[in-house]
Amino acid sequence: GAGVSQSPSNKVTEKGKDVELRCDPISGHTALYWYRQRLGQGLEFLIYFQGNSAPDKSGLPSDRFSAERTGESVSTLTIQRTQQEDSAVYLCASSPPDRSRGGYTFGSGTRLTVV
Amino acid sequence: AQSVTQLDSQVPVFEEAPVELRCNYSSSVSVYLFWYVQYPNQGLQLLLKYLSGSTLVKGINGFEAEFNKSQTSFHLRKPSVHISDTAEYFCAVTEVGNNNDMRFGAGTRLTVKP
Repeated sequence: GAGVSQSPSNKVTEKGKDVELRCDPISGHTALYWYRQRLGQGLEFLIYFQGNSAPDKSGLPSDRFSAERTGESVSTLTIQRTQQEDSAVYLCASSPPDRSRGGYTFGSGTRLTVV
Repeated sequence: AQSVTQLDSQVPVFEEAPVELRCNYSSSVSVYLFWYVQYPNQGLQLLLKYLSGSTLVKGINGFEAEFNKSQTSFHLRKPSVHISDTAEYFCAVTEVGNNNDMRFGAGTRLTVKP
């Protein structure tokens, strides 16, 4: 597609439930990133995928968080047993192979509210 | 690891006035620097970037930023703002050779008043 697509745009869930967030990157973008943006704070790096290489999971805050991506296609971020502190906007970005030129393109995000 | 500090969380300004949004970074190696803008209910959009060369970088919508290595700063400026510039602005840094770890500042909310 023309841009990075994320779904759903908004999600309200009860504490303890699992949620799955989806990111559809720009076609041809080999790199995909997930960030978390808490209210009034900057973006917090979660996980990075590059092609078929092992993902960089160093930013995942706990083992309740996991993400998958098959090749250079859609990625899903799963949060198990959600807690109120998981409430945030989850942003996905993708970039072409020559990412050193700063070509991140962000989606509009999924606003997650845990009640 | 690299980090970014945006010194002002909110900047209110009147239309047609000049504005400067401040950004300082910390890194032990060479960096690339970026400014992103986030309009309400939208994703982040790249405003401008510094990779190398001229320290004065021009971006979209009349914005520019100056890389100052001695002061480790990358302040964003616009000589005359419009109502439509009201948005959240994020400064970001990535270390040269390690571009899978972009660090963002906490953001500055620019509000342009008529």
